Amino acid sequence: DTGVSQDPRHKITKRGQNVTFRCDPISEHNRLYWYRQTLGQGPEFLTYFQNEAQLEKSRLLSDRFSAERPKGSFSTLEIQRTEQGDSAMYLCASSLVGANYGYTFGSGTRLTVV
Amino acid sequence: TQLLEQSPQFLSIQEGENLTVYCNSSSVFSSLQWYRQEPGEGPVLLVTVVTGGEVKKLKRLTFQFGDARKDSSLHITAAQPGDTGLYLCAGEDYGQNFVFGPGTRLSVLP
Repeated sequence: DTGVSQDPRHKITKRGQNVTFRCDPISEHNRLYWYRQTLGQGPEFLTYFQNEAQLEKSRLLSDRFSAERPKGSFSTLEIQRTEQGDSAMYLCASSLVGANYGYTFGSGTRLTVV
Repeated sequence: TQLLEQSPQFLSIQEGENLTVYCNSSSVFSSLQWYRQEPGEGPVLLVTVVTGGEVKKLKRLTFQFGDARKDSSLHITAAQPGDTGLYLCAGEDYGQNFVFGPGTRLSVLP
């Protein structure tokens, strides 16, 4: 297992376009999280899944954002009608529920909306 | 919403110096973790502390969880340039998810 993979690493898009990011977690991890991080800040929670169920969504996750984890494995995060304020690093992490092992993060997808 | 504060926000020191960074909250956490993040990469877990008063050592790094499980500190002895990075603390809100602090950006100059 090579850890948590995120694709793409970088995305530049024009305002108003839709973008989709993918996250492949560690295979035996049943929880998957999405965080957003802007420059100089810590990661902000967006949403998380346990297996294929989306258990919690932050108020930061407006109706332009949607996340899926259809088979309890990889996950996608889609942003519709992107705005300049969406520019950030989008981080995916996975973990085992009930274990104090913490999160294993991917390297993130850096989104720039121009 | 449980909030974590970290201090100092920025720290620049010379190689070989010791330093301590702090993570504070008014909320109680079931566990607390420290991560280090380098530019353009995701955070990497350093340690998890669970028991109030717990002290863990990882080579030159010493982590302490406050007795009331509301605060934590990270002490680095004889800092090296490789310790440079953003140090993040994250508190677990009883099995749900982790809330991150804003981080302390450490720069160790050779």
